[in-house]
Amino acid sequence: AQSVTQLDSQVPVFEEAPVELRCNYSSSVSVYLFWYVQYPNQGLQLLLKYLSGSTLVKGINGFEAEFNKSQTSFHLRKPSVHISDTAEYFCAVSDAKAAGNKLTFGGGTRVLVKP
Amino acid sequence: GAGVSQTPSNKVTEKGKYVELRCDPISGHTALYWYRQSLGQGPEFLIYFQGTGAADDSGLPNDRFFAVRPEGSVSTLKIQRTERGDSAVYLCASSLNHEETQYFGPGTRLLVL
Repeated sequence: AQSVTQLDSQVPVFEEAPVELRCNYSSSVSVYLFWYVQYPNQGLQLLLKYLSGSTLVKGINGFEAEFNKSQTSFHLRKPSVHISDTAEYFCAVSDAKAAGNKLTFGGGTRVLVKP
Repeated sequence: GAGVSQTPSNKVTEKGKYVELRCDPISGHTALYWYRQSLGQGPEFLIYFQGTGAADDSGLPNDRFFAVRPEGSVSTLKIQRTERGDSAVYLCASSLNHEETQYFGPGTRLLVL
């Protein structure tokens, strides 16, 4: 079984400032890692994913994340945020060996970008 | 192209009633997932279909919950004898196969009074 902890429930940030959203996971097996974004009144949208290879993953809208196996972390970063980045962000994991790829999500981090 | 659609978008029912929630996946996607998102929490896995069969139903909370996908496309999540604790947003996702990215629908918001 896996679990995901998102350490910050809310992150206020000023426009054009950098942001980092923290995600730690626990698993006894190798995992795939994901970040999803949920804009108000919309469905979840994939930002980026780590399956294997380079530990630095680049996604859409200027986001990137780094997989750190020793620290079991997958923090999400963006160097300069826009008002439109206001949303809720979810980190998720799945068992890399299991058929089905069911996702285990963290509790989410709500990002509020202020002008 | 069309994404995952879910109907209804909102459903209000009374405690003890039966409800059905529908999911139309992206055309050609063989894998379909149901998740439940309670207020202030991340989504929780309920059930996964590969084709017509439920390959993993380990997330269904109890036997009041049941889901079908008879023709390998549309899926229906059925909840019997609804309870107030069933109130949540029910999310459906589909993927080309079980190894590919899951695409989520907008969800059905269920309120049990």
